[in-house]
Amino acid sequence: QQQVKQSPQSLIVQKGGIPIINCAYENTAFDYFPWYQQFPGKGPALLIAIRPDVSEKKEGRFTISFNKSAKQFSLHIMDSQPGDSATYFCAASGRGFGNEKLTFGTGTRLTIIP
Amino acid sequence: DGGITQSPKYLFRKEGQNVTLSCEQNLNHDAMYWYRQDPGQGLRLIYYSQIVNDFQKGDIAEGYSVSREKKESFPLTVTSAQKNPTAFYLCASSIVPGNGRELFFGEGSRLTVL
Repeated sequence: QQQVKQSPQSLIVQKGGIPIINCAYENTAFDYFPWYQQFPGKGPALLIAIRPDVSEKKEGRFTISFNKSAKQFSLHIMDSQPGDSATYFCAASGRGFGNEKLTFGTGTRLTIIP
Repeated sequence: DGGITQSPKYLFRKEGQNVTLSCEQNLNHDAMYWYRQDPGQGLRLIYYSQIVNDFQKGDIAEGYSVSREKKESFPLTVTSAQKNPTAFYLCASSIVPGNGRELFFGEGSRLTVL
């Protein structure tokens, strides 16, 4: 059972555009929602994370929007650059035994064309 | 320079052979994890350990085994019982307890079964 659904699977955006990657979750016990960025041949690295007490979080050009009632969250990349080309994973975790592990989405391969 | 070291980076194995992937961390993290990454399937948890001499099965533990004899080491053995072992394997660590902990990943080991 996939607890975090991510879309799209791949995305091509022109430089300067705003790619948007969406995730939806089912488990209402989730209360931590990070995004990881992975470059080819490397391990993922934490990009930005949000908790459900806020609806938006910005760090530089990266923004997470969170909709608790819809159980959805999304990543927006402002003024995208070719260097942002990578695979992006959303994830979620909760509290308590069995919920504390991160559950990852299936990933979005983002390509920013010059 | 603190981090996670995985070895080997590339590994070829014949069918029916066991193989052990190494993971060492010098971050002084209590928790360590093994994930498997396949195209279009995201990151799936194989095993995790929150303390020395203790570990738990993740979502896809069948055909794998681990040990945690030292805080800094968490080797993964891919046994001949694993039906489809060709994949990219990622080791990670984090500080415990509590959720919201950042995962620090190694650069991965790519296993190919011939």
